[in-house]
Amino acid sequence: DTGVSQDPRHKITKRGQNVTFRCDPISEHNRLYWYRQTLGQGPEFLTYFQNEAQLEKSRLLSDRFSAERPKGSFSTLEIQRTEQGDSAMYLCASSERSWDRVRAGELFFGEGSRLTVL
Amino acid sequence: AQKVTQAQTEISVVEKEDVTLDCVYETRDTTYYLFWYKQPPSGELVFLIRRNSFDEQNEISGRYSWNFQKSTSSFNFTITASQVVDSAVYFCALSDPSTNAGKSTFGDGTTLTVKP
Repeated sequence: DTGVSQDPRHKITKRGQNVTFRCDPISEHNRLYWYRQTLGQGPEFLTYFQNEAQLEKSRLLSDRFSAERPKGSFSTLEIQRTEQGDSAMYLCASSERSWDRVRAGELFFGEGSRLTVL
Repeated sequence: AQKVTQAQTEISVVEKEDVTLDCVYETRDTTYYLFWYKQPPSGELVFLIRRNSFDEQNEISGRYSWNFQKSTSSFNFTITASQVVDSAVYFCALSDPSTNAGKSTFGDGTTLTVKP
C-alpha cells in the first residue's frame, strides 16, 4: 500500500501529557499538510510543508503544537501539555507539486489519528 | 477570507435515486479551485472532483456530475442512481491556487445515507 499512513490511529491521554503523531506521505509527494477535524465539522488547516520547510502555520496552531519534517519525508506533529480541547482527529495529507493544472490541489489523506484527552 | 457553506446537514435517499449535494462558497480571489471529497465511515477522506474557477463547462464522470455556477457562487454535486456504498459524509472545499492550492477551506459536510 503506497497511500498516506498515520500512526497511531488512536491515542488516549490525560490532560497535561505530551503526544506525538507521525505521518508517512506518498513517497513521491513533496507537499505535506496537517489538518484537524472535530466531530460534525470539516477539516481545518493547521500547517504545511514543502519538502523539509514548514511554509505556513495556521493561527489554530498554538505554541503547544510543533510539527517537523526533518528529511522531507515523514512528518511528526507534537502536542505538549494537552488540553481537553485538543481532542480531535488529526489528519495528514500529501500532494505533489504539479505544474499540471489538472492535479494541483488534490489532497491524498491518511486515515487520521484520533486523540482523546481525558 | 474564504468560506464554504453546506446547508444540508443530512440527506437520506433510497437506492437508485439521484441526489444533489449543495455547496455555496465565498472568496475574494478571482482564481480558485473547488473540490468535493468523500469521507466514508472508515474515516479516510477521498478526493472526488476538482473544478477550476476559469473552466466554463460542467462535467460528468461516471455517476458523478457537478454544476458550477459562478454567478451564484455555487458548486453542487450530483450522484446519479445512488448506491448503498455512496453512504458517507461529503465535503465541499475551496482553495486559492496562487498561494497554496492544497490549503483548502472545507465546509462542515453533508451526511448522505442511501437505504437499500
